[in-house]
Amino acid sequence: DAGVIQSPRHEVTEMGQEVTLRCKPISGHDYLFWYRQTMMRGLELLIYFNNNVPIDDSGMPEDRFSAKMPNASFSTLKIQPSEPRDSAVYFCASSLVAGGYYEQYFGPGTRLTVT
Amino acid sequence: GDSVTQMEGPVTLSEEAFLTINCTYTATGYPSLFWYVQYPGEGLQLLLKATKADDKGSNKGFEATYRKETTSFHLEKGSVQVSDSAVYFCALRGSNYKLTFGKGTLLTVNP
Repeated sequence: DAGVIQSPRHEVTEMGQEVTLRCKPISGHDYLFWYRQTMMRGLELLIYFNNNVPIDDSGMPEDRFSAKMPNASFSTLKIQPSEPRDSAVYFCASSLVAGGYYEQYFGPGTRLTVT
Repeated sequence: GDSVTQMEGPVTLSEEAFLTINCTYTATGYPSLFWYVQYPGEGLQLLLKATKADDKGSNKGFEATYRKETTSFHLEKGSVQVSDSAVYFCALRGSNYKLTFGKGTLLTVNP
């Protein structure tokens, strides 16, 4: 299995620009999670989906952030407009709710730098 | 709400030393507990897990026991290697499917 795939791996953009991060979960998984990791705040859950439907977006910092999952094999996290404080590593994770373990498999992350 | 508290690092050890990273949690009900490891420049990988009280999770020489009476899930390894240098995260899954993570502990093992 290819694991969770994220693109791009690195993104450098200027303040005010739109940024789109992409994620392909593991085939057959029914949950997808977006996290943000910074030195100051650690790992934060932004939003998660079940069967392509957003379940909890209470972690999305503000209206500049939006996430979609148009189908079971693709999700995007968009920031518009971007700000320097959005600089972080963004992780996507997926899981299959079976067996009672619900372990999450993480992608390699996208390192976003907003200048 | 759910929360995880783990010892703050960084932790620096010599090769073959004994490792303990403390983790305690607060949750309602009966959470599942996890340790994840993050190597430099990579995403998090599941290291071990335990789903009920007194379960012991183990992998790659690491162990952790789910202690409900002390709400703890401490990570241990008898003899660390340089290749174990990484950030370790304790996490719990409560009544929903979200993971709550601790802040992470940076471990550096010197030869």
